[in-house]
Amino acid sequence: SQTIHQWPATLVQPVGSPLSLECTVEGTSNPNLYWYRQAAGRGLQLLFYSVGIGQISSEVPQNLSASRPQDRQFILSSKKLLLSDSGFYLCAWSVHRGQGYTFGSGTRLTVV
Amino acid sequence: AQTVTQSQPEMSVQEAETVTLSCTYDTSESDYYLFWYKQPPSRQMILVIRQEAYKQQNATENRFSVNFQKAAKSFSLKISDSQLGDAAMYFCAHSGGSNYKLTFGKGTLLTVNP
Repeated sequence: SQTIHQWPATLVQPVGSPLSLECTVEGTSNPNLYWYRQAAGRGLQLLFYSVGIGQISSEVPQNLSASRPQDRQFILSSKKLLLSDSGFYLCAWSVHRGQGYTFGSGTRLTVV
Repeated sequence: AQTVTQSQPEMSVQEAETVTLSCTYDTSESDYYLFWYKQPPSRQMILVIRQEAYKQQNATENRFSVNFQKAAKSFSLKISDSQLGDAAMYFCAHSGGSNYKLTFGKGTLLTVNP
């Protein structure tokens, strides 16, 4: 069966520190992968998506970047966090348009 | 560009009663999918129900059903026999295009009163 793992669940980081959030998918090959951010408990904003290894598309210019070093691994990074980067980050995967997304359990990031 | 609008920021329903959440969307595509997701306090996103645009029959999953009006670009969710566990944020979403991107509405917060 397919599963998605996302970690850490909670993170508190000081302003200016680096960030690395990781997401891995099991049980499927060549998934489309997505990073979303949800601020203030509402609205999901698509940050990045990837249709294959090394292929990253950015939806919103920002302080964050994404990488896909392996087929089922998706990483969200920042070199220097801003207060405005605080939020709830969700990773998701899909292999078929009609499937919708399967989401990870999310990471709550607080930048202090 | 695709847009999804949920006009009800908050809704409430009495336990065991029925509630309908509204969603409208805008798309230029003829082939697409629509979804309702539930996000309980744990914030885990859970797929509730999906609808294929080329199917006229409304999708049903146990107590959850949709009213899909393609010409009106409307996709409402009906929850029957509401339970306390149905309390959550509900998001409507549209999928179109070759990259499988989902566009989400801003959500409706559903409260279930005992």
